[in-house]
Amino acid sequence: SQTIHQWPATLVQPVGSPLSLECTVEGTSNPNLYWYRQAAGRGLQLLFYSVGIGQISSEVPQNLSASRPQDRQFILSSKKLLLSDSGFYLCAWSVRDTYEQYFGPGTRLTVT
Amino acid sequence: AQSVTQPDIHITVSEGASLELRCNYSYGATPYLFWYVQSPGQGLQLLLKYFSGDTLVQGIKGFEAEFKRSQSSFNLRKPSVHWSDAAEYFCAVGAAGKSTFGDGTTLTVKP
Repeated sequence: SQTIHQWPATLVQPVGSPLSLECTVEGTSNPNLYWYRQAAGRGLQLLFYSVGIGQISSEVPQNLSASRPQDRQFILSSKKLLLSDSGFYLCAWSVRDTYEQYFGPGTRLTVT
Repeated sequence: AQSVTQPDIHITVSEGASLELRCNYSYGATPYLFWYVQSPGQGLQLLLKYFSGDTLVQGIKGFEAEFKRSQSSFNLRKPSVHWSDAAEYFCAVGAAGKSTFGDGTTLTVKP
């Protein structure tokens, strides 16, 4: 069966520090991968999605970036965090050409 | 482009009572439709999905949803709510290579 992992589960970082969140998927090949952010009490905001290694599409211009160095690995990064980057970050995957998404447990990021 | 509206931000029901969460979508054709549930501090879990065929779909945890093309709706229902159903519920639409999520409905269950 397929599983999706995210780490760390929680993170507290000062403003201006770098960020690296990692997501890996097991049990499937060539998935579509997604990064979402969820602000407190709000819905999901799609940040990035990827249909293959090195192929990243950005939905919202911001100081975050994403990379997909391996087929089942998706990384969210920032060189300098802002207070507004605080939130709950969710990684998800889907089978290619389908819309049914499977979500990881999330990372709670607090920028202080 | 598609859009999803969940008109109810917060709903409170008593345990054992029936539940209906509303979802309306906007798209030129019939999209793929989903309901997800999110417990506090966790990721989203797929409850059910509609692609085509029977407009009443059954999901996990005793939930069902009915697709009504004439109303562009995909409402989620449960006959008898349990305290463990308290969570955030998201409706989502998939079409034209993109998924769009509603803003969610928070369900509180009164004992």
